[in-house]
Amino acid sequence: EAGVAQSPRYKIIEKRQSVAFWCNPISGHATLYWYQQILGQGPKLLIQFQNNGVVDDSQLPKDRFSAERLKGVDSTLKIQPAKLEDSAVYLCASSLRLDEKLFFGSGTQLSVL
Amino acid sequence: GQQVMQIPQYQHVQEGEDFTTYCNSSTTLSNIQWYKQRPGGHPVFLIQLVKSGEVKKQKRLTFQFGEAKKNSSLHITATQTTDVGTYFCAGRARGGSNYKLTFGKGTLLTVNP
Repeated sequence: EAGVAQSPRYKIIEKRQSVAFWCNPISGHATLYWYQQILGQGPKLLIQFQNNGVVDDSQLPKDRFSAERLKGVDSTLKIQPAKLEDSAVYLCASSLRLDEKLFFGSGTQLSVL
Repeated sequence: GQQVMQIPQYQHVQEGEDFTTYCNSSTTLSNIQWYKQRPGGHPVFLIQLVKSGEVKKQKRLTFQFGEAKKNSSLHITATQTTDVGTYFCAGRARGGSNYKLTFGKGTLLTVNP
C-alpha cells in the first residue's frame, strides 16, 4: 500500500517568511498528526485531526502556525512568519484509528536562516 | 502535562553485545508504543504494549510494560549493525478522549562492527 506522502522534502527560507507543508495520509486513515522534530529530540505533537476535526492542538503555536484538513483527507501546515527556532523536520503521520500505530511520512526538513 | 523520559540518551556497543533502553512516564499509560528511526529516516513502528506486565518478543527484541503501566523497556540481544538507530517510546495517557501520543527523547544506539 502507498505510504504517507509529504512535500516538499526540503525547504530553506529566511526568518519572517511564510512556508506551507502538504501531507497525504494513507487511504482510509481517519487520524492525521503533525509532529515537529528538532535535531536530537523526539517528535513533538503539534496537532492531531480525527477526520476533519481537531482532537488536540495544545502545543501548536497558534500565533504563527495553522493547519487544516479539508474533507478529512489531505492536510496542510503553515508557518507565518517563521522564526529561527522553527528549523526542524516536520513529520506527518496517519493511523487507521485514534489509538493505533502511526505511519510516518519522510518529513519536510525546514531551515530558517 | 504528561512527560515521557528515556534513558540512556546514547549507547555505544560492540556488535554482539546486548542493549537496553528504559522509558518512564509521569502518568499512568493506557498503552505504549516503540518506534525505530534510522539516521536520516523517519520513525517506524515496532510494537504496541497494552496490558500491565506484558512482555512481547520480536526475534532478538524483547519489550516489557511495567506492572503499574508507567514504565517500559526494550532489550536487544546480540546487537547487529542493522540495529543502529534511535529508539523512541511513545505513551498514550490513561483517561481522557484525545489519545495524545507523547514521545520520549529517544536512545541513540550505535554498534561497532
